[in-house]
Amino acid sequence: AQSVTQLGSHVSVSEGALVLLRCNYSSSVPPYLFWYVQYPNQGLQLLLKYTTGATLVKGINGFEAEFKKSETSFHLTKPSAHMSDAAEYFCAVVRTDKLIFGTGTRLQVFP
Amino acid sequence: GAGVSQSPSNKVTEKGKDVELRCDPISGHTALYWYRQSLGQGLEFLIYFQGNSAPDKSGLPSDRFSAERTGGSVSTLTIQRTQQEDSAVYLCASSLVASGGAGTGELFFGEGSRLTVL
Repeated sequence: AQSVTQLGSHVSVSEGALVLLRCNYSSSVPPYLFWYVQYPNQGLQLLLKYTTGATLVKGINGFEAEFKKSETSFHLTKPSAHMSDAAEYFCAVVRTDKLIFGTGTRLQVFP
Repeated sequence: GAGVSQSPSNKVTEKGKDVELRCDPISGHTALYWYRQSLGQGLEFLIYFQGNSAPDKSGLPSDRFSAERTGGSVSTLTIQRTQQEDSAVYLCASSLVASGGAGTGELFFGEGSRLTVL
């Protein structure tokens, strides 16, 4: 069954540094993959999604993710972290009409 | 309202009591989902409604949990005889189309109902 694994429950970076949040998926069919972000005391919102087509997907707030079938990965990156990026990030895959989420990665950004 | 609305935002209850959590989805959204968010557990799927189809209840953790959706709109998640392990944030989401198939619908989440069972 389709699932995702997020490596690292906590990631800390300095402001201006590269952000890399890891997600690997398990799927027997071409997956639909998502990244959601949850800011403190808010609901989740969609950052970006991959369905078909271009494997490099650009999202909001300067984030992007690349679908790599050979590595079964969909890692989230941002070239330069901002303090406002501090949040929890969830990778998700579609399984029979519903999203199955990973356990999340909390991103801390230090000045 | 413009977004998904959930109530109550916070609920403290005693072990053994029943609780009801309400979700008011975005108008016109046919798909409605309930998830549970516990510390370190990520988001756990509970139940999914799509139009007039039978709900997908495959994620409900026990028969103490149930949900209904009236008139294709508002949904209520009921937890009977609450236990301390039920303490979590319960999130509701809706989408215009289901997440799979022809439409990879974006889920719009409410801010959640935080349940604490003493």
